[in-house]
Amino acid sequence: EAGVTQSPTHLIKTRGQQVTLRCSPISGHTSVYWYQQALGLGLQFLLWYDEGEERNRGNFPPRFSGRQFPNYSSELNVNALELEDSALYLCASSIRDRGPEQYFGPGTRLTVT
Amino acid sequence: AQSVTQLDSHVSVSEGTPVLLRCNYSSSYSPSLFWYVQHPNKGLQLLLKYTSAATLVKGINGFEAEFKKSETSFHLTKPSAHMSDAAEYFCVVTGERTGRRALTFGSGTRLQVQP
Repeated sequence: EAGVTQSPTHLIKTRGQQVTLRCSPISGHTSVYWYQQALGLGLQFLLWYDEGEERNRGNFPPRFSGRQFPNYSSELNVNALELEDSALYLCASSIRDRGPEQYFGPGTRLTVT
Repeated sequence: AQSVTQLDSHVSVSEGTPVLLRCNYSSSYSPSLFWYVQHPNKGLQLLLKYTSAATLVKGINGFEAEFKKSETSFHLTKPSAHMSDAAEYFCVVTGERTGRRALTFGSGTRLQVQP
């Protein structure tokens, strides 16, 4: 069974630019979660999508947004990039109502210069 | 509100000796608790989970954890450390409240295994 996949692996952007990160969940999983792992800040919850809708949002500004497609894959968009957005962005998936555990992808390393 | 505190930021053990990584939690609801491991430049791998069944939980690679409600603890143990266990370990809590599902992570414990 293929795990959660994310693309790209690494990304370098300039402050003020916009970026899109992509995630494909494990087959059969309908929920997708996004987390940010920034140096010194630990792992923080960003967004939860299920059945195409945003279900929960962490304490992040509106320039962090995303969507989930009918095939349950997801995109995370970050507008007006700031230096502090440099982080590892992790995507996870789960089957809603099957248990709370989440399965993580390898992450996308974003560097903002 | 829920939170988790990992009591040690770094733990160093010798290969073949026991491992103990400590975690205390706080939750307003019946918690689900997890331990995840992250090897350098990798994503997170689920080691084990507690979801209100048996209080002693066995995971992969010989790890286990015991849920102690009276102590609000969920410490991770392994009888004998291996070099490949060197990684960062995260204790994680989530409440069962509908509509939440966000995982709350501890700050992590970096495990070093000396030869």
